[in-house]
Amino acid sequence: EVQLVESGGGLVQPGRSLRLSCAASGFTFDDYAMHWVRQAPGKGLEWVSGIPWNSDSIGYADSVKGRFTISRDNAKKSLYLQMNSLRPEDTALYYCAKGSNEYSRSSCDSWGQGTLVIVSS
Amino acid sequence: AIRMTQSPSSFSASTGDRVTITCRASQSINTYLAWYQQKPGKAPKRLIYSASTLQSGVPSRFSGSGSGTDFTLTISSLQSEDFATYYCQQYYNYPYTFGQGTKLEIK
Repeated sequence: EVQLVESGGGLVQPGRSLRLSCAASGFTFDDYAMHWVRQAPGKGLEWVSGIPWNSDSIGYADSVKGRFTISRDNAKKSLYLQMNSLRPEDTALYYCAKGSNEYSRSSCDSWGQGTLVIVSS
Repeated sequence: AIRMTQSPSSFSASTGDRVTITCRASQSINTYLAWYQQKPGKAPKRLIYSASTLQSGVPSRFSGSGSGTDFTLTISSLQSEDFATYYCQQYYNYPYTFGQGTKLEIK
């Protein structure tokens, strides 16, 4: 069974940084692309970033480009999201999601339960 | 970025009804489209991928169609557990984008 467990969320002041992690199990991690998707309170889903199995074609939402960095450690079966220069509008539940194949063109076939990030002074 | 527009934004229906939700892309995305269902307090669940392929374990009353810019999600006979919010997502080009969601409510 696929399991994705996010961690690292919390309350952070505007302008500060936070690093999210996602621990994966139940599948061959380095065979699949991975994604971060967020959902602000009471709002819809927003795709944040995606990374293929070999990290060679990474994408970001325009709203986070230049501030967030996605990475993965296949040996540790872990996905990360380094979030810098955080803004109040980054406040959201951040989901880790498994891609449906190893490439960048993949939808999200399994999801974690999310980790909450609150950006506020 | 490719814009995904869903309609309607919200909809009231009764169990047993046939429901269709549409999703339009601002440019062609071939069939790189997925549909998700989300219930309150829960993570989204993928229903359909590649525009029309049913996710394993999803009831056959759900179906998807379309290609290029126009797509539909159809629920042939609404069940009580289907009242939720539905999202489309294109994964043709970065940045991948979701529609704004369609909230399906009980009439």
